[in-house]
Amino acid sequence: DADVTQTPRNRITKTGKRIMLECSQTKGHDRMYWYRQDPGLGLRLIYYSFDVKDINKGEISDGYSVSRQAQAKFSLSLESAIPNQTALYFCATSDRGRQNTGELFFGEGSRLTVL
Amino acid sequence: RKEVEQDPGPFNVPEGATVAFNCTYSNSASQSFFWYRQDCRKEPKLLMSVYSSGNEDGRFTAQLNRASQYISLLIRDSKLSDSATYLCVVTAFSSSASKIIFGSGTRLSIRP
Repeated sequence: DADVTQTPRNRITKTGKRIMLECSQTKGHDRMYWYRQDPGLGLRLIYYSFDVKDINKGEISDGYSVSRQAQAKFSLSLESAIPNQTALYFCATSDRGRQNTGELFFGEGSRLTVL
Repeated sequence: RKEVEQDPGPFNVPEGATVAFNCTYSNSASQSFFWYRQDCRKEPKLLMSVYSSGNEDGRFTAQLNRASQYISLLIRDSKLSDSATYLCVVTAFSSSASKIIFGSGTRLSIRP
C-alpha cells in the first residue's frame, strides 16, 4: 500500500460542481501539501499545513480551500470547479524532523477534468 | 522571471551517452537543493539531494554553485530507463513558513 494515498485518482466533472480531493498518509509526517501540475508550468503549491491547526496559502490558492481533519488527512476542495482547474493534483508530505532538507513524499496524483 | 528555471528539453540522446542539465534559481537565501525524477503520469520521486561540495550516486553527479546560483545534474552511461522528466527543487524554510519551489522540469529521452 502507498504511504500517501489520494482519492479519487481520476475525476471528470462539470463547471460549477463542488469537488473534494482527499489525501491520507501513513508516514506520520506533520507537514502536508497540495500541488497542481500543468504542462510546461511544473508543480505549483496550492496550500500547505504544518500541523492540524495550521493552514497556509501557497502561490495559487484562489478557487481552492483545504481542511486538515487529522494529522494523517488533508483534503482539497474546489467549491465551484472551472475548466482552468483541469490539472493533475498531487498531495505530498514531509517530516518536521527533515524540515531543513525539503524532501517530499508524493501521492500518486489525482487527475481532474472540468468540462 | 521564474524563481527556478530549467531548460525544458527534450534532450534526446543515445544509450551510453553522457548528458547534463542545469537549473538556475533566483533566491540567494535558498537553503536546500534537490533533483527529483518524474516518470510519465507518475508522481515525482527524490533522485538525489545536492550538496555544496557536490555529490555522486552511481552514474549521477549533482553540483551546486551558490555564487552563480545554479545546480546541475550529470548522468553518465545513460540507460533507457533514465528516460523521464527531471525536476529541480529549491527550498527555503523558516520556523513559520515553507517555500519549496519546483522547476518546470527537463525532459530526457534515451534512444537505443
